[in-house]
Amino acid sequence: DVKVTQSSRYLVKRTGEKVFLECVQDMDHENMFWYRQDPGLGLRLIYFSYDVKMKEKGDIPEGYSVSREKKERFSLILESASTNQTSMYLCASRIGGASSEQYFGPGTRLTVT
Amino acid sequence: AQSVTQPDIHITVSEGASLELRCNYSYGATPYLFWYVQSPGQGLQLLLKYFSGDTLVQGIKGFEAEFKRSQSSFNLRKPSVHWSDAAEYFCAVGYNAGGTSYGKLTFGQGTILTVHP
Repeated sequence: DVKVTQSSRYLVKRTGEKVFLECVQDMDHENMFWYRQDPGLGLRLIYFSYDVKMKEKGDIPEGYSVSREKKERFSLILESASTNQTSMYLCASRIGGASSEQYFGPGTRLTVT
Repeated sequence: AQSVTQPDIHITVSEGASLELRCNYSYGATPYLFWYVQSPGQGLQLLLKYFSGDTLVQGIKGFEAEFKRSQSSFNLRKPSVHWSDAAEYFCAVGYNAGGTSYGKLTFGQGTILTVHP
């Protein structure tokens, strides 16, 4: 079974803090994704990576950056957390292209106070 | 630009009743279409997908969906709902971004399903 794990289920941070969200997959997938999930908005793509050290902006990249130094690990970074970044963050991985299944982690619920 | 609309934010059904969740998409080419389910406190799990061939696709947990190109729809159905089906359901369209092979997904807003005993 594919497994995607996220470092924290719940996280509380203060405004202005630097926040790291970690995601690890164990199936050697080339593609990894970060989404945020908000009620009534579904999932929106923040960034994705198609290979080590490669990244592409998604639909809402502002205020976020990412890092992929190893194939199995994809990190989302909030350089200076703000209250409007309070949300559920989901990581996913996939092998193959647009017709392939994405496998999701359990999510990290981030609260910025 | 591609988009996905799930017109029903919240649906309530009784256990044993039939279910249909609606999904409409907008995309210029032949879409890759997915339904995912998210149980409380969980990540998303794929129920089924369509990318070619038979327009009626079968998925896990007794779900099926029908692709109707003329209506730009991909509605999810189940003949008899179980209490364990209570969850949030997301429809998504997959596409290749900007002429590349880097496939992305656009999700609908989600439909919350409540099941009454």
